[in-house]
Amino acid sequence: DTEVTQTPKHLVMGMTNKKSLKCEQHMGHRAMYWYKQKAKKPPELMFVYSYEKLSINESVPSRFSPECPNSSLLNLHLHALQPEDSALYLCASSLVGNTEAFFGQGTRLTVV
Amino acid sequence: KQEVTQIPAALSVPEGENLVLNCSFTDSAIYNLQWFRQDPGKGLTSLLLIQSSQREQTSGRLNASLDKSSGRSTLYIAASQPGDSATYLCAVWPDSGNTPLVFGKGTRLSVIA
Repeated sequence: DTEVTQTPKHLVMGMTNKKSLKCEQHMGHRAMYWYKQKAKKPPELMFVYSYEKLSINESVPSRFSPECPNSSLLNLHLHALQPEDSALYLCASSLVGNTEAFFGQGTRLTVV
Repeated sequence: KQEVTQIPAALSVPEGENLVLNCSFTDSAIYNLQWFRQDPGKGLTSLLLIQSSQREQTSGRLNASLDKSSGRSTLYIAASQPGDSATYLCAVWPDSGNTPLVFGKGTRLSVIA
């Protein structure tokens, strides 16, 4: 099983809302990642968790707040987003850093 | 700083053609190289992973090669089909501990029936 599951698949939220994206894997991977992807662009790294600890934050605005409750689960909490934050949000995992990465199907986020 | 370039940016071919997608990277100190496929609005599907000690990997009609010293990789697709239409992304894992994947901008492939 090489599956990374993301929920929800689609999300529409207002600029004053609070919402969360969820990512789950059961492959025993110890590195998990959040990426943001705009149309016709490659994925941009946001956060890296290694052994459930935040190891990389690519200067992401504080309205995005990651959380790794356990080794299988990764959340991205959203608050006071802007319309320009509308994008496809991708979660990925790998056994450890620099081994094969597996991506979820993404959450299509629209901020209105 | 590692940079990954993919050429061409877009490619349109008739069904049945064999084709080659190119990827180059500026720093040869890589740990692995990974090719992905992405359908519109979907996530990335891992196609092939080539470890730095390997020269090539094959999966079905796909063959990926790696020339680490010259900073190049190619993805060869044999007997292309309309279902191969997608964006193909090349990404490298730098050979330095905690640095995650560095992506190219992708090649958008259209296979015309």
